[in-house]
Amino acid sequence: GAVVSQHPSRVICKSGTSVKIECRSLDFQATTMFWYRQFPKKSLMLMATSNEGSKATYEQGVEKDKFLINHASLTLSTLTVTSAHPEDSSFYICSARDLSSGTYNEQFFGPGTRLTVL
Amino acid sequence: AQSVAQPEDQVNVAEGNPLTVKCTYSVSGNPYLFWYVQYPNRGLQFLLKYITGDNLVKGSYGFEAEFNKSQTSFHLKKPSALVSDSALYFCAVREPVHTGGGNKLTFGTGTQLKVEL
Repeated sequence: GAVVSQHPSRVICKSGTSVKIECRSLDFQATTMFWYRQFPKKSLMLMATSNEGSKATYEQGVEKDKFLINHASLTLSTLTVTSAHPEDSSFYICSARDLSSGTYNEQFFGPGTRLTVL
Repeated sequence: AQSVAQPEDQVNVAEGNPLTVKCTYSVSGNPYLFWYVQYPNRGLQFLLKYITGDNLVKGSYGFEAEFNKSQTSFHLKKPSALVSDSALYFCAVREPVHTGGGNKLTFGTGTQLKVEL
């Protein structure tokens, strides 16, 4: 089945530093990947849609300079949280759309990355 | 705009009893509907989806869901709950691409299922 990995699974950083999170589709190609943020006991909030070879599309209210997204290949997208602050602490989840799944374009989710900013 | 409602924050059920987790949706055109499960500190795992066809959809781990167009509902069900089913469940909807919905999934707020002995 389609597998999506994220690295790291957990990261703790100091306020003001930048953190990079990787999302990889392991056994399929994904032209589109999605980045979500999840607060405790809350639903997933779509942050941005990452398109291979082009600029990401950000949802309203998400700072593109704060959350840098790069989708350089069909199997890798990265999210960099720049100048992280404690309020950026959250669970970040990526998903990837499987090209081969046809019209329905199913999304497969990564295991998530827990970011804690001290 | 598409939306999903999960009216219950938490559902408690005894092991062996049937369970239902409710979901209603609002979307233009025919919806694509999904259920996902999330265990603590983990990503979402796909359970089942409705695209077209039979209104009763069977999925992973014995779960099923019934698409009801007139009630705009897609409730998740299981005939006999297990303690291991305890987790956070999300309903999601996506509009067909041709209606301009793109590939965005809109999630409900989640329902915590607790199955007790």
